[in-house]
Amino acid sequence: EIVLTQSPATLSLSPGERATLSCRASQSVSSYLAWYQQKPGQAPRLLIYDASNRATGIPARFSGSGSGTDFTLTISSLEPEDFAVYYCQQRSNWQWTFGQGTKVEIK
Amino acid sequence: EVQLVESGGGLVQPGGSLRLSCAASGFTFSSYEMNWVRQAPGKGLEWVSYISSSGSTIYYADSVKGRFTISRDNAKNSLYLQMNSLRAEDTAVYYCATGGEMATNWGQGTLVTVSS
Repeated sequence: EIVLTQSPATLSLSPGERATLSCRASQSVSSYLAWYQQKPGQAPRLLIYDASNRATGIPARFSGSGSGTDFTLTISSLEPEDFAVYYCQQRSNWQWTFGQGTKVEIK
Repeated sequence: EVQLVESGGGLVQPGGSLRLSCAASGFTFSSYEMNWVRQAPGKGLEWVSYISSSGSTIYYADSVKGRFTISRDNAKNSLYLQMNSLRAEDTAVYYCATGGEMATNWGQGTLVTVSS
């Protein structure tokens, strides 16, 4: 099973600042990595797929990069609605695994 | 608009059974791969099971293999999860989600609580 490790666990930032979230895979997942945003009491929402493609309706301030084992989600300038938990996810051998999440909180 | 609505959650005793449903609308359900994903209270996301668009291919997480059964009825635009031999650690919000490589659309979830 491929393990995804996200860092940091918590990111304390102010609105307008840049957020950089990391996801590291225990073995290569090529570019088959997705990112999700989850707010309290809500279902997750797909942000990025195939490492760098924004899902439908996702603002341009969200971007993804990386391949192989190291991936990054960047939020260029945090809006108030961006404070949430973010998960990375991969699929291998028809099993999905998720990272443990990074909480982006207001500083 | 894609809509996924889960139902069937509730309180069940350890060792008991429950059947979850996911009603799909706004898209051609029979063309989509489907999954169940769960989230224990205050915890992260855990994939549970996958079913292909025709229902011919099915996979399970090791944690539920032999206890849970995924199925679908394309004529009724519905996805199901039969859960048997439930344990306290199965307590979670269960989401249905479309997609093969990633979860493109999610339902709002249904809470399953396993407790005596």
